[in-house]
Amino acid sequence: DAGVIQSPRHEVTEMGQEVTLRCKPISGHDYLFWYRQTMMRGLELLIYFNNNVPIDDSGMPEDRFSAKMPNASFSTLKIQPSEPRDSAVYFCASSFLTSGSYEQYFGPGTRLTVT
Amino acid sequence: KNEVEQSPQNLTAQEGEFITINCSYSVGISALHWLQQHPGGGIVSLFMLSSGKKKHGRLIATINIQEKHSSLHITASHPRDSAVYICAAPTQGGSEKLVFGKGTKLTVNP
Repeated sequence: DAGVIQSPRHEVTEMGQEVTLRCKPISGHDYLFWYRQTMMRGLELLIYFNNNVPIDDSGMPEDRFSAKMPNASFSTLKIQPSEPRDSAVYFCASSFLTSGSYEQYFGPGTRLTVT
Repeated sequence: KNEVEQSPQNLTAQEGEFITINCSYSVGISALHWLQQHPGGGIVSLFMLSSGKKKHGRLIATINIQEKHSSLHITASHPRDSAVYICAAPTQGGSEKLVFGKGTKLTVNP
């Protein structure tokens, strides 16, 4: 398997623009997670899905952020409108139950810069 | 909810030294995770362990369930080991949701 795939790898946009980040999880994994990483706050969980259904979105900062998982092989994280404080690296990860625990496999991340 | 503490935050070593990074957590869990992130790079899972010890090459991870403590050791450290090492634990029990430590930034000088 190719691992978790994220696109784009880098995104530079102007404040106010819509940004869409994409993720393809590993086939057969039934959980998908979206994280944001900044120097100040480290890794933060934004939202996660189980079998395409959102389970916990308590980490989504505000209404400008939304995430969807229309099928088992694709998820999007959308920011509309974007703001400079959204600049961060966004990681997608997928996992499945193995030996009683869930090991997460991370994508390469999308580095977002909002100017 | 689990709380995960890592130490030290920063660690500088000379090539060849033995490295230890510590992690403690507050709530009983099914397994603890050690992750590695190289500068500007992605996050890679190094270990997921529920008891005892695991070894991959020069990396060794140990866990003491009773004391809620885990350590990551690197033997014969090398500059390519320079990275941020992150420990993560389920929010509780065997939850699929993880809580992350703040990471330990390791720099190994030649």
